[in-house]
Amino acid sequence: GAVVSQHPSRVICKSGTSVKIECRSLDFQATTMFWYRQFPKQSLMLMATSNEGSKATYEQGVEKDKFLINHASLTLSTLTVTSAHPEDSSFYICSARDTYEQFFGPGTRLTVL
Amino acid sequence: TQLLEQSPQFLSIQEGENLTVYCNSSSVFSSLQWYRQEPGEGPVLLVTVVTGGEVKKLKRLTFQFGDARKDSSLHITAAQPGDTGLYLCAGKLGTDKLIFGTGTRLQVFP
Repeated sequence: GAVVSQHPSRVICKSGTSVKIECRSLDFQATTMFWYRQFPKQSLMLMATSNEGSKATYEQGVEKDKFLINHASLTLSTLTVTSAHPEDSSFYICSARDTYEQFFGPGTRLTVL
Repeated sequence: TQLLEQSPQFLSIQEGENLTVYCNSSSVFSSLQWYRQEPGEGPVLLVTVVTGGEVKKLKRLTFQFGDARKDSSLHITAAQPGDTGLYLCAGKLGTDKLIFGTGTRLQVFP
């Protein structure tokens, strides 16, 4: 099956700093990518949908100025958590879709001290 | 508001037992998927069901999509410790969004 990678797999940062997470589709082109957030012992919550070359569509309650999404190419989307705070600590998972199916990355564990 | 409710939330059973996980919604989905997720990893797709009333089998796992495409069930026969994990249903709204259920955490003891 298709492979989606995320980098980094884990990141620890100080409160107030910004963190960038990369999501790449390794062997297919993804016109649409999705970003999810998962808190401990909870399910995945969709944060935003991004289409290559256009602005991301954010779900209700997700601050677009805090979670910046850039989908600059058909194989790369980035999520930047700006001015991160401890409550932003979570497991961030991206997903990339080809024509028929959606594939998930391995996730990025963000810890904000 | 969670669109997809799963039950039970937690399940601890002995090896060899059978179990059923339910995924319910008031919304109609164009398709529904089941995933299993291990700690610290992304979800892995188990199956996709598309047609109302559809039943799919994957070894000891049986998946059913409700006639009205609002609910689904996952039945595991003779559970094994390797089945331990977080089971997630996810419904597709239209052709775009995939919305995840609340999750069922399964622990199978040897």
